[in-house]
Formats: sequence, C-alpha cells, structure tokens
Amino acid sequence: QITLKESGPTLVKPTQTLTLTCTFSGFSLSTSRVGVGWIRQPPGKALEWLALIYWDDDKRYSPSLKSRLTITKDTSKNQVVLTMTNMDPVDTATYYCAHWTLSAAGIQYYFDYWGQGTLVTVSS
Amino acid sequence: SYELTQPPSVSVSPGQTARITCSGDALPRKFAYWYQQKSGQAPVVVIYEDSKRPSGIPERFSGSSSGTMATLTISGAQVEDEADYYCFSTDSSGNYRVFGGGTKLTVL
Repeated sequence: QITLKESGPTLVKPTQTLTLTCTFSGFSLSTSRVGVGWIRQPPGKALEWLALIYWDDDKRYSPSLKSRLTITKDTSKNQVVLTMTNMDPVDTATYYCAHWTLSAAGIQYYFDYWGQGTLVTVSS
Repeated sequence: SYELTQPPSVSVSPGQTARITCSGDALPRKFAYWYQQKSGQAPVVVIYEDSKRPSGIPERFSGSSSGTMATLTISGAQVEDEADYYCFSTDSSGNYRVFGGGTKLTVL
C-alpha cells in the first residue's frame, strides 16, 4: 500500500524559502521507473505541476518556476524534499506530493497516488 | 509553454451523461489522464492512458481520445460524481507536465 504525506511550515513570510518534505511508504525510490513529484493548488484554482525526481536522481522542473525550485531525495529515509525560494503571497497554496509511475503501456508516466496535501500561506 | 484546455463547468441532471473535454496539441501523440477531486480532498485518477479505468472506479466512467481532444464521459452521472475534474498530459518534448484548468461538474 503506497502512502505519502507532506510536512512543513503552514506559514512563511514573503521572500523566505519554503522547505517541504514528502515522507512515503509502500515503495522505494531506488526502484527503477518510479519517481515522486510535487503539485500545488492555490485556493479555488487549478492544479499546477512543480517538480519531479526519478529513481535515478534525474530531476525535472516546471519551466516557469525552475529558477526557484530544488528537489532532492533521501532514499534511506524514504523522503523527498522540495525547496522554493523567494516566496510570495501568490505562492499560497495546498502543496501535494505524489507517486510518479510508468503507466501500463510503458511509455508515459503519471501520478497515481497522492498525499493529503499541506496548505502553505505566504503572509507577513 | 503547453496548455490543456477544459470547459470551466458542466452541469447535468442525475442519470444523464456528462462529457468533459480536454484539448491539447500533443494529445494525438500523448496519453491523457483524468483526475477527480472532491471538495477538500486530494485528486484521484479515474482514467489513465486515454481510456483505461483503474480498479475501484465505477464503470460509468470512461475515456476516449481523438485528434487533439480527449473526453471523459460519465454515463448515468450520480450526485456523488460532483467534483472538479482535471486532465493531465505532457507536451511532445516531454518538458511540460500539464494539468488542464479543471472542470466543475454539477449533478442536480
């Protein structure tokens, strides 16, 4: 059974750096063809993909946010960490981490299991 | 950048068929995935690879894709199907992983 849970601050000030941790179970990030990703959702708005990290440490970022994001993994702890610099009130959102897996046809990945999300508010 | 376009809202009466569309230039070459998000909950995948249904998803959920448009169909929509629905895919280069803007389905 795959589970993921996000943790981190609920409130950050503008210009600060946000650090979120995704702690997961039921899979290993040393297994090929798996990854973990981060997605966010501002209140009342759509989902937005942020970043991915693969089992082989390959990393992908949303082009629009790439300069502000860093994703890392600690395989021994079953954790993935996302940092986002220079936080702004428009970054207020629920942040989700999710299991990234190759779907049945073996040619495209998608998010199949999601954490419950954590609401981060950016305010002074 | 790459975009997937969905209608903001769809409304049907219980028992009717709801269709939610998602258009994107790369959809002829890339699969679409569909997520259901009920209020206050995390998204759940209801269709993967255009038309496949995960175990546990009711048979009334189906998907199709033709050209630049993917469609999620809910045959005989139930009140409990009220939710936001998002399509998800990638552009041809693989650089953009994108969610559509979401469609609010109302069943009443």
